[in-house]
Amino acid sequence: KQEVTQIPAALSVPEGENLVLNCSFTDSAIYNLQWFRQDPGKGLTSLLLIQSSQREQTSGRLNASLDKSSGRSTLYIAASQPGDSATYLCAVITDYKLSFGAGTTVTVRA
Amino acid sequence: NAGVTQTPKFRVLKTGQSMTLLCAQDMNHEYMYWYRQDPGMGLRLIHYSVGEGTTAKGEVPDGYNVSRLKKQNFLLGLESAAPSQTSVYFCASSRGATLNTEAFFGQGTRLTVV
Repeated sequence: KQEVTQIPAALSVPEGENLVLNCSFTDSAIYNLQWFRQDPGKGLTSLLLIQSSQREQTSGRLNASLDKSSGRSTLYIAASQPGDSATYLCAVITDYKLSFGAGTTVTVRA
Repeated sequence: NAGVTQTPKFRVLKTGQSMTLLCAQDMNHEYMYWYRQDPGMGLRLIHYSVGEGTTAKGEVPDGYNVSRLKKQNFLLGLESAAPSQTSVYFCASSRGATLNTEAFFGQGTRLTVV
């Protein structure tokens, strides 16, 4: 069974600092890895999708890396802003379904 | 674009009542999923479908049934609601599960069973 772990569970940083969010998974036979953002009481918004053959993916201030052999992905958010405060979830796609980590709750202090 | 739409957004049920949650997607996606999200437990897969007319069990299927009679719709049924089914339910869809598939989620249904 695929196990997905996200560390840390919570993170508080001052505005302008770079964020580093970690995701690890136990079964390296994945198709893709996807990062989501979830605001309180809301649904999940897709941020980045990394295919298993890719090493990284970038969108604006967001950069996600993937090391499939070691079962790790990292989401970097540059120059954080208060609007980046949310819970960030990673999900790995194997056997036709997504397996989620518990998320990292980020607070960016103004 | 509507994307993935869930109906209803909120519902309160009494123990033993039944209800159906509707998920509709307008992206012509093959795969659809139902998840529940509980504090401290993350998102857990209830049931999923890899195409019209197909369904399969996920991690926590007990107490739920699903149907996918039309490609765009995926229904989640609770036959006899229990307080343990109090949760936030999310529907998702994707083109597939191999290359270049991105999952899109609905806004959720907050269900309380009293």
